[in-house]
Amino acid sequence: GAVVSQHPSRVICKSGTSVKIECRSLDFQATTMFWYRQFPKQSLMLMATSNEGSKATYEQGVEKDKFLINHASLTLSTLTVTSAHPEDSSFYICSARAGTANQPQHFGDGTRLSIL
Amino acid sequence: GIQVEQSPPDLILQEGANSTLRCNFSDSVNNLQWFHQNPWGQLINLFYIPSGTKQNGRLSATTVATERYSLLYISSSQTTDSGVYFCAVGTGKLIFGQGTTLQVKP
Repeated sequence: GAVVSQHPSRVICKSGTSVKIECRSLDFQATTMFWYRQFPKQSLMLMATSNEGSKATYEQGVEKDKFLINHASLTLSTLTVTSAHPEDSSFYICSARAGTANQPQHFGDGTRLSIL
Repeated sequence: GIQVEQSPPDLILQEGANSTLRCNFSDSVNNLQWFHQNPWGQLINLFYIPSGTKQNGRLSATTVATERYSLLYISSSQTTDSGVYFCAVGTGKLIFGQGTTLQVKP
């Protein structure tokens, strides 16, 4: 149980393109979803937290107009990287949590984004 | 915010050896998870352990919440155990440590 599906797994696109990444909880309702970014040889850094039907809460230093997050249903959150540039190339990972804050987070397999 | 420190940063073991990874954190938390990140980037959830002790096969973990640390034990290590081990802690949101990179040699 507690499966999180993330799509696509890899995307390569030209600079200036907008890229959308989907995160779905397949067998549970995710009241809260999270988006992380991981650069090579580094740890995961939380970008934003989203609750179903509400605006996302962004961590300090994360541009909300650059990284658009939508959590329209209890099973789907999307991250759109707008006008992507090479410095946005990274590994993006989502997680989902059911219920309250003391419940575990379940992670997707990540999306490797490369901007040429 | 919460500070998370993992030690050691790197560890090289011979197959069959045992090891202990440590995670210290600076504040009270209601969530603590251990993960293994494989070479393809997948985060494998090992334990959800905000307190107490759990075991799963060759792996076990103990969290002493009052002293703000957690330990991950790997026994009889195998080459497939290689990768990066992260602990993540928090209240509401998770903060990840910098990880321990484990290499198990045959």
